[in-house]
This record gives sequence, structure tokens and C-alpha cells, in this order.
Amino acid sequence: GQQVMQIPQYQHVQEGEDFTTYCNSSTTLSNIQWYKQRPGGHPVFLIQLVKSGEVKKQKRLTFQFGEAKKNSSLHITATQTTDVGTYFCAGKGAQKLVFGQGTRLTINP
Amino acid sequence: GAGVSQTPSNKVTEKGKYVELRCDPISGHTALYWYRQSLGQGPEFLIYFQGTGAADDSGLPNDRFFAVRPEGSVSTLKIQRTERGDSAVYLCASSPQRHSSYNEQFFGPGTRLTVL
Repeated sequence: GQQVMQIPQYQHVQEGEDFTTYCNSSTTLSNIQWYKQRPGGHPVFLIQLVKSGEVKKQKRLTFQFGEAKKNSSLHITATQTTDVGTYFCAGKGAQKLVFGQGTRLTINP
Repeated sequence: GAGVSQTPSNKVTEKGKYVELRCDPISGHTALYWYRQSLGQGPEFLIYFQGTGAADDSGLPNDRFFAVRPEGSVSTLKIQRTERGDSAVYLCASSPQRHSSYNEQFFGPGTRLTVL
């Protein structure tokens, strides 16, 4: 079945440093979504990418969808303490979303 | 407006018991999803409802798990003969399903199930 792998599993940075998490699917995706889960919270939708090669920006966050629609990345520029949490990609095949295991971001202020 | 709500927030039960977990989706959302999340893992898909019908139940681990959504809004996830391995946070999400290619999911706070 469809698998979505995410790396790294953990990332610790100094405040102000950049952060990137990578997502790879075993199959071609119709779209990919990104979610953020704060400690003790529930996943919150960030964005959806649909088109091959698509790049979207939200302030300091940049999301990319690969040309083959099998990989994606999230890059945060100049991290802030409010960025702490776990970032999940979720790839959509025919019907359901398959979530990666997430990248947990911690930040040293 | 109100978001997705789930009750109870915590449920402790004994091995072998039956439990029901409830999800109230955002009003008007036709799509409803159940996920299970273990510590340090991403949400694991269980079942997806479109309206009253289960459109995809391929994630249910075995026949001890069952879910219903009789009127197309509230859903109940039912687990029979609970096992310690069922312990996890059970998340519900709903989506407006405005059109087929866009399905941002709005998650509830989850029910933490502990099986002793």
C-alpha cells in the first residue's frame, strides 16, 4: 500500500535558523497536504499542493511539490519559538490521506 | 463557529471491554474521517464517511472496530473486546468536500483511549 516517509524525525535549531522537512511517497499523489501539531494539540491544516512542481509561500514558510508528485518539502526561514511543533505531510492517493510520521521541531530561544 | 468536538476527551477501560467514541463534525461538513495516533507517529487512517455511508473503511485494523454515522453528522467509533494495543489518541476530522480535489481536514481534539 501507499507509504509516506518523512525526514528527519527530529530537528533542533537555534531561534533564527532555518528548518526543512522532507516528505517522500512510494506512489504518485493527487495532492499533498501539510499539517502542524503543537505539543498536546491536534493537527492543524497549513496548505495543500496539487500541481506538479508547485511552490507556495506563507510568510516564512515555503512549500514545494516535486515534479513527479511523489515528494514534497516544507522550509521555514528564520525560525521563531512559535514554530515549535510536529509537522506532518499527508499524501492523498485515490481517497484517503496517508500521513508521514512527522518531523518534530524544537527551538532554542 | 464551533469546531469538531469529540467525547470523551479521555477514556480508561479494561482489557476486553467495549467502548464508544463520539465525534461531532463541523456543521455542514459531509466528509468525516477517523484516525488513530500513537505516540510519536502520524495519524493513521481508519475510516472515511461521505454522508451516511462508509466510503473507505480499509484502515480499520480488524472486525473489533466499527463506525457509524446514521444521520450524516455525528459519528461513533465502536471498539469491541478492547486490547492494550488499542491504546492511542483517536482523532476525528471533517471536511466540507466543496469539490472533489480539495479536502482540507479540520481535526477535533481527540479522545485518548487507555486500555489497562
